[in-house]
Amino acid sequence: DQQVKQNSPSLSVQEGRISILNCDYTNSMFDYFLWYKKYPAEGPTFLISISSIKDKNEDGRFTVFLNKSAKHLSLHIVPSQPGDSAVYFCAASADGSSNTGKLIFGQGTTLQVKP
Amino acid sequence: DAGVIQSPRHEVTEMGQEVTLRCKPISGHDYLFWYRQTMMRGLELLIYFNNNVPIDDSGMPEDRFSAKMPNASFSTLKIQPSEPRDSAVYFCASSRTSGGTYGYTFGSGTRLTVV
Repeated sequence: DQQVKQNSPSLSVQEGRISILNCDYTNSMFDYFLWYKKYPAEGPTFLISISSIKDKNEDGRFTVFLNKSAKHLSLHIVPSQPGDSAVYFCAASADGSSNTGKLIFGQGTTLQVKP
Repeated sequence: DAGVIQSPRHEVTEMGQEVTLRCKPISGHDYLFWYRQTMMRGLELLIYFNNNVPIDDSGMPEDRFSAKMPNASFSTLKIQPSEPRDSAVYFCASSRTSGGTYGYTFGSGTRLTVV
């Protein structure tokens, strides 16, 4: 049972354009969401996160949007750069007040930004 | 801080052999996680520890898999006997909490190939 789903295995965009990566989840108890980026032969690294009490969080070129009613979140990268080419993982946890959840990851989306 | 250290980086073994993967978490992180990356399921959580005690091993695929954490600075994931379908990249991660608030720090992974 895949609680976090990234239905697009890959995405290709032109340098300078917007990249939009999507993620859907099924567990309504999830209250914290994160995006990780992974380069080949390296471990995933934290990129940006959002709490369920917000619907948007921005950090430089990266913005995450959360639509709780649709159980959907997206990561926007503007403008996209060739160095953004990597695998992006969406993750979610049901932290509650005790922060005892565990991170559940999606399948990942491979982003290719063409010069 | 050296980060999460995993060894070996690559492991090639024959079917039926025992394989041991190793992990040294970040000092001060009370939680340690073992994930497996596959194309179909992305990053799957296998097991996690809190203060060296296994908390949730529901993701361990079979009895052939076992994990230990004898002290705060060392953990092992063992597969015995190994099978070709175990071929994947195995990641270790550590965190101050199990939830998503602080995120997880991942090691560089061990690429396991069982032939």
